[in-house]
Amino acid sequence: EVQLVESGGGLFQPGGSLRLSCAASGFTVSSNYMSWVRQAPGKGLEWVSVTYSGGTTYYADSVKGRFTISRDNSKNTLYLQVNSLRSEDTAVYYCARNLYSTGHGMDVWGQGTTVTVSS
Amino acid sequence: SYELTQPPSVSVSPGQTASITCSGDKLGDKYVSWYQQKPGQSPVLVIHQDTNRPSGIPERFSGSNSGNTATLTISGTQPMDEADYYCQAWDSSIVVFGGGTKLTVL
Repeated sequence: EVQLVESGGGLFQPGGSLRLSCAASGFTVSSNYMSWVRQAPGKGLEWVSVTYSGGTTYYADSVKGRFTISRDNSKNTLYLQVNSLRSEDTAVYYCARNLYSTGHGMDVWGQGTTVTVSS
Repeated sequence: SYELTQPPSVSVSPGQTASITCSGDKLGDKYVSWYQQKPGQSPVLVIHQDTNRPSGIPERFSGSNSGNTATLTISGTQPMDEADYYCQAWDSSIVVFGGGTKLTVL
């Protein structure tokens, strides 16, 4: 079964750091584009970052310089390192597969992991 | 930066046709995907590449894209279709989402 499972969320202090994980099963992370998408409470979807199968990465302007997307091919896992946390980073974070055959639409999503930034 | 604009809300009666629009500059030149999200759940891809339904998505969901506007159409809308809907496109190697439309079936 094709599946994504996120972990690493919780309560964090402003200025702190965290690393979110997204474990994939049923397909190979490194062979696909993979994205992180977040959703602040009561708000819409906000794309955060993508890593291409070749390793190129891109970020939303709102997180550039603070977020880093990466993957561990041996663990078939995607990561999102978040530094200098701000209250506006409070959101549910989803990882998703951008499948080539759907024009890189996001055909598989994880269940999400909740990040709360508060003192 | 590229922007996609959706109406905040659309209402439809059960059994009728719902249309949700998504507007962006020369959007017809890009592929558009649509996602359905119900409260407390992860988004689900319902349309990709403007008009294609993934397996398992009911035939009542269809899409179009031309000029500056993409449209998600739900024919014979059912109460279970009540959800938030988001359009999405790629622009200059990055992903852009519309602000979302809350579909109410009443």
